[in-house]
Amino acid sequence: KQEVTQIPAALSVPEGENLVLNCSFTDSAIYNLQWFRQDPGKGLTSLLLIQSSQREQTSGRLNASLDKSSGRSTLYIAASQPGDSATYLCAAYNQAGTALIFGKGTTLSVSS
Amino acid sequence: SQTIHQWPATLVQPVGSPLSLECTVEGTSNPNLYWYRQAAGRGLQLLFYSVGIGQISSEVPQNLSASRPQDRQFILSSKKLLLSDSGFYLCAWSVKGAGPPQHFGDGTRLSIL
Repeated sequence: KQEVTQIPAALSVPEGENLVLNCSFTDSAIYNLQWFRQDPGKGLTSLLLIQSSQREQTSGRLNASLDKSSGRSTLYIAASQPGDSATYLCAAYNQAGTALIFGKGTTLSVSS
Repeated sequence: SQTIHQWPATLVQPVGSPLSLECTVEGTSNPNLYWYRQAAGRGLQLLFYSVGIGQISSEVPQNLSASRPQDRQFILSSKKLLLSDSGFYLCAWSVKGAGPPQHFGDGTRLSIL
């Protein structure tokens, strides 16, 4: 059964820092890996989707990598801003290919 | 454009009372629909998914049920709520065959007293 773990659970950084959020999964036979952002009391916003045949995806200041052999994905945020403060969720597509298995998230706080 | 509506935004219910949360999708047809729950201190957990009208799959045994009476309507229900049903409930949809759910509702915060 697929399990997704995210480290750290919380992270506080000053504005302008580059940072890395980590995600690990137990079953390397994943179909996709996806990163989401969740603002307090809100739904999820999809940030980046990495297909199983890909190694990374980039969108603006965000870069996500996928290493299936080691069961790891990272989300790199460059030049962090206070507006980046949110909870970031990593999710792996389950074996049946029907839905996502989520990690518990990393809550990021960027201070100005 | 496609939109997803979920209501109510917040709900406070006593233990033992019934529950009905509704989710509707606009701007698409025959979507895959999902209900997720985010309990305090836990990750987002898939509760139910549906690939069509009347077709419901349950991922975890629980006190809840789901129904899909129409193509773009997904309902989460309970006959008698438990304290452990408290949490943040998210509805989501995806285009059939296009991958995982990319579109999420704004969620319902359910508090059981």
